[in-house]
Amino acid sequence: GAGVSQSPRYKVAKRGRDVALRCDSISGHVTLYWYRQTLGQGSEVLTYSQSDAQRDKSGRPSGRFSAERPERSVSTLKIQRTEQGDSAVYLCASSYGAGNTIYFGEGSWLTVV
Amino acid sequence: AQSVTQLDSQVPVFEEAPVELRCNYSSSVSVYLFWYVQYPNQGLQLLLKYLSGSTLVKGINGFEAEFNKSQTSFHLRKPSVHISDTAEYFCAVRRDDKIIFGKGTRLHILP
Repeated sequence: GAGVSQSPRYKVAKRGRDVALRCDSISGHVTLYWYRQTLGQGSEVLTYSQSDAQRDKSGRPSGRFSAERPERSVSTLKIQRTEQGDSAVYLCASSYGAGNTIYFGEGSWLTVV
Repeated sequence: AQSVTQLDSQVPVFEEAPVELRCNYSSSVSVYLFWYVQYPNQGLQLLLKYLSGSTLVKGINGFEAEFNKSQTSFHLRKPSVHISDTAEYFCAVRRDDKIIFGKGTRLHILP
């Protein structure tokens, strides 16, 4: 079956603009994650949700980041008023739940200019 | 809180030579440990995981890792690397429902 897919794969945004990144997770997966990956810093959790309820917001760097889950297998990460420091790879991941393997998408490469 | 330390940011190694990528974790509770690989321009892919049982875990592409509780380590090894192993490798630990990653080790394979 299909894996986790993300769109767009590459995005260039002008500083100050809002950006939305989409994730289509694996059908049946309950938990959905957003990670941010930067060079030399590894990956940090931005947010994750169980089913359709957003559960953990503490990983977000600021209130400019939010995630919505309009459908169980779809999530949108929204970044408001982008800053140059937001340039990174944003990874979406999903799993059947606690203790299960987490599967990652290929990432959305965001460059803020 | 659990954290993961990857001691080497880059490791160069000659093709067909053995390699060890080091990972140490800190935790006061039972741990679940992972190694992920990221090939150029691709997403993260699970190499192997330790949940319980045998401390020597075998993964894909000939990699293996050994869980050492006394040294709080989970080093990744391969006896003979190939040029296709060029990638970044991430050690990770599970905390609650989340995966916490190390900063990654970039493996350079030299011809």
